[in-house]
Order: sequence, then C-alpha cells, then structure tokens
Amino acid sequence: QQQVKQSPQSLIVQKGGISIINCAYENTAFDYFPWYQQFPGKGPALLIAIRPDVSEKKEGRFTISFNKSAKQFSLHIMDSQPGDSATYFCAASKRNAGNNRKLIWGLGTSLAVNP
Amino acid sequence: EAQVTQNPRYLITVTGKKLTVTCSQNMNHEYMSWYRQDPGLGLRQIYYSMNVEVTDKGDVPEGYKVSRKEKRNFPLILESPSPNQTSLYFCASGTYEQYFGPGTRLTVT
Repeated sequence: QQQVKQSPQSLIVQKGGISIINCAYENTAFDYFPWYQQFPGKGPALLIAIRPDVSEKKEGRFTISFNKSAKQFSLHIMDSQPGDSATYFCAASKRNAGNNRKLIWGLGTSLAVNP
Repeated sequence: EAQVTQNPRYLITVTGKKLTVTCSQNMNHEYMSWYRQDPGLGLRQIYYSMNVEVTDKGDVPEGYKVSRKEKRNFPLILESPSPNQTSLYFCASGTYEQYFGPGTRLTVT
C-alpha cells in the first residue's frame, strides 16, 4: 500500500507555464515533507521541504503548498523552464522507534517542459 | 564539497557471482541507507544504518547484505545476485536531508 500517493505520473508543460505536482498521505505522524529532483543519470537531490506547521514555503520559482487537514501537499513550479525537466519525488518523514526516521517516497512524476 | 561516492557506476555480472558496491560519504553523517530504483516503483529502501555497527532492514532487504564498520563507509553486498536484482542502486546519507550518490546501474544476466 502506497503511503504517499503522487500524481500525475507524467506531466508536459510549455515553457513559462506552471507545473503542479500533488501528493497525499494518510499517516498523521509524518512531520517533514521534502521534494526531491532527479535528473537523468543522477541521484535525487533535495529541492525544497516543509514542516506541517506552515501552509506554504517558497524558494525562488518553487513553492510547496501544504494542507494539513486534507493531508495533501503540492509542488508548484512557476515560469517552468526546459532545465526543470526532471523526475520529481515527494516524500514524507516520521520518527520511528529507536530514534530512527523513516522516509516514505512517492512514485515520482516525470516532468517535461517544452521550449 | 559534501558528497556521496559509489563504485562501480556500472556493473554487468552473472547470476550467483558475489559482488560489492561501495559507498562513502564525507559529511560525518550517522544515518546512511541504500535504495533501489525501478521504473514505476520509485525508490525502495533496501537497508539502512543509524551508526557504526547498527544496521537494519528496509522495505526490500531480501538478497542483500550490508555492513557499517566505519562511519563514512556503507557497502552493499549481493552474495548471490539474481536477474531480479537488476536495478539502479543509490546510496544516501543524512537524516532530514538525504544526500544521494550518483547511482550504480547493475545488470545481472
């Protein structure tokens, strides 16, 4: 059972448009929600992250919107550029027994930005 | 520069031939983990380590072993690889922000 559900699986956006990727979770114990960006041939890299005590976080053209009551969060890429073409993963993190943190991943969204 | 290194980057091997993928990080992180990435299945955690000599199973540990004798190194061992272990493997370190290595593409024939 996928604990973090990510949609869409793939997305095509025109240059200058807004890319929106959505994620939903069930477990209210999650307390940290990162987004990772992965380019072909590379490992994922942290793009932006949010904690549930805020509803929005913005870094440049990238914004996370967080809806705690709906248990949903989304990534918005404003003014999308061809260089943003990559796979994006949402994730949710919670503390496990033994002071360990568990990161649960969405299945990823392949974004293509057409020039 | 903060980084995670993995070797080899590409490996083609045959069923049953033991192999080791090395992973090293220079950030003094206590937490390290191994993932495999398969199309349509996202990133699945194989094993993780909270510190030296402390390792535990992730979501898909069958057929894999790990060791953590030093803080910086976390090798992944496939003692008898099978074709279903053909995948892209990533080592990562860090707890909240995970730093990923460049990946190892493994093909088992």
